[in-house]
Amino acid sequence: AQTVTQSQPEMSVQEAETVTLSCTYDTSESDYYLFWYKQPPSRQMILVIRQEAYKQQNATENRFSVNFQKAAKSFSLKISDSQLGDAAMYFCACRATSGTYKYIFGTGTRLKVLA
Amino acid sequence: DAGVIQSPRHEVTEMGQEVTLRCKPISGHDYLFWYRQTMMRGLELLIYFNNNVPIDDSGMPEDRFSAKMPNASFSTLKIQPSEPRDSAVYFCASSSTASNQPQHFGDGTRLSIL
Repeated sequence: AQTVTQSQPEMSVQEAETVTLSCTYDTSESDYYLFWYKQPPSRQMILVIRQEAYKQQNATENRFSVNFQKAAKSFSLKISDSQLGDAAMYFCACRATSGTYKYIFGTGTRLKVLA
Repeated sequence: DAGVIQSPRHEVTEMGQEVTLRCKPISGHDYLFWYRQTMMRGLELLIYFNNNVPIDDSGMPEDRFSAKMPNASFSTLKIQPSEPRDSAVYFCASSSTASNQPQHFGDGTRLSIL
């Protein structure tokens, strides 16, 4: 069975600073994908970034990057130059590449951005 | 391209009434997922379909909940009879078979059972 754990229910960051959101996962699958989703107050679920487990290079999307540590089963999200619009719930998710196509989501981290 | 379309966006009804939530997935996506989100339980997968066939409904809370997908472009989640504890935001999401492709979520239906 797969599990995804986000141990930080809430985080705060000063505008323009950098913040890292933690995510650990457990899976018996040999290959899988990892995702970070953002849910602003509008409640839309927006894909932020994805990482393919077989790729060693960490994914980057503009101000968002991940620190993927496969051996430690860790997949943290770094947000640089934080903006007020980054305030949201952030969910980490894992999906195997074969078998079940279920996405397993973490419980989320609420990010507050302070002006 | 149109995204996942859910209706209604908000629903308020009295307990005991039947509630039907609707979803139109992205064209070409062969997986469809129904989730429920609450403060207490977070995001829960209720059921998912592949090519219109239910694959895993282990997350459906009880027999009052049912879901159908009569064709590739439409799915419903029905609650009958509804109870106040069913109040939540219900999301529909769809994805393609390619495992590196993310799920695309609809805007959700906020359901309030009085």
